[in-house]
Amino acid sequence: DQQVKQNSPSLSVQEGRISILNCDYTNSMFDYFLWYKKYPAEGPTFLISISSIKDKNEDGRFTVFLNKSAKHLSLHIVPSQPGDSAVYFCAASDRNAGNMLTFGGGTRLMVKP
Amino acid sequence: DGGITQSPKYLFRKEGQNVTLSCEQNLNHDAMYWYRQDPGQGLRLIYYSQIVNDFQKGDIAEGYSVSREKKESFPLTVTSAQKNPTAFYLCASSMDRGSYEQYFGPGTRLTVT
Repeated sequence: DQQVKQNSPSLSVQEGRISILNCDYTNSMFDYFLWYKKYPAEGPTFLISISSIKDKNEDGRFTVFLNKSAKHLSLHIVPSQPGDSAVYFCAASDRNAGNMLTFGGGTRLMVKP
Repeated sequence: DGGITQSPKYLFRKEGQNVTLSCEQNLNHDAMYWYRQDPGQGLRLIYYSQIVNDFQKGDIAEGYSVSREKKESFPLTVTSAQKNPTAFYLCASSMDRGSYEQYFGPGTRLTVT
């Protein structure tokens, strides 16, 4: 049973436009959420995170939105750049379960010049 | 220059052989993790260690073993009992058991034929 799901395996966006990556979760105990970016044959790198006490966190071109009632979070990238092309993983954590991360299956973002 | 190193980048083994993947960090992090990534899938937790000389099974520990004799090192052995060992293996660390953010190494691609 997948507790964190990224239902879109891929997304294609034109350079300069907004990219919206979505993530759904089922475990209501998750209290912290993270987004990681991964290039082929490399390890994931941390991008941005959000605590369950917030509904928005912004860092430059990246904004994460959290809707707890819908158990849904999204990552917005504005404006999208070709260098943003990568696989994006969302991850969720439950402080009471030792802060282990549960990852979604990833979404491959392609930003076309 | 702090970080996590994994070696080698690519590893080839014959079926039936045990193989050990190296993971070293100089971030002075207490916690370390091993994940496996299969094509088109997210990261799945194999083993984790929150302190030296202690480690716990993750979601898919069968066929794997680990040791944590030093804070900076967390080697993973893929045994012949692992039915589908070919995968991309990622090592990560976090500051301590209370930290959410994990930092990843570059990964090792293991191919078993």
